[in-house]
Amino acid sequence: SQQGEEDPQALSIQEGENATMNCSYKTSINNLQWYRQNSGRGLVHLILIRSNEREKHSGRLRVTLDTSKKSSSLLITASRAADTASYFCATGGYSGGSNYKLTFGKGTLLTVNP
Amino acid sequence: EAGVAQSPRYKIIEKRQSVAFWCNPISGHATLYWYQQILGQGPKLLIQFQNNGVVDDSQLPKDRFSAERLKGVDSTLKIQPAKLEDSAVYLCASTPRPGIQYFGAGTRLSVL
Repeated sequence: SQQGEEDPQALSIQEGENATMNCSYKTSINNLQWYRQNSGRGLVHLILIRSNEREKHSGRLRVTLDTSKKSSSLLITASRAADTASYFCATGGYSGGSNYKLTFGKGTLLTVNP
Repeated sequence: EAGVAQSPRYKIIEKRQSVAFWCNPISGHATLYWYQQILGQGPKLLIQFQNNGVVDDSQLPKDRFSAERLKGVDSTLKIQPAKLEDSAVYLCASTPRPGIQYFGAGTRLSVL
């Protein structure tokens, strides 16, 4: 089953604008990660935020985490055409004691128009 | 540092045929994952290895899917016989410790 649910499913913006994607999840987590996937390629890790963190920055990326609402958001500032990709949130946690695994959402397809 | 290698990149087969995918993880990464990604969805975990042992195969359709990781390095995922609904991208990922996963480019399977 998919743990995270991204919103919106698709987002189209102009170059230079900011893009915000949201993720909601259902169970307790150890961390939450965001990955990017360009068409026809594998996933690339963007940023990891631990369950005891509220906000994290990496270059043009800003991630927030609200564990009370079980939600996270990814903000990409000053978007570029090269940011066009699918973005997935993934919740990281332990099952069966010591078995760590990621559970991915369905993703948001971001299109940045030049 | 070399990334996760997967082959082939593309495979087209007819239903009821067999197919195998190969993955070579990043050197030193003890944990290896196989995911299935159906078009328009996120990756779904099929099986997780720690060295050469299976730690989670709860979502692997064991009547047709099998996987092994001999000597705790390379891994193969096999489907026999394939069904139309197996059409997907099969992703391999590896990691040295719980946390960030490193993905290969995937194998796109089309079952006709």
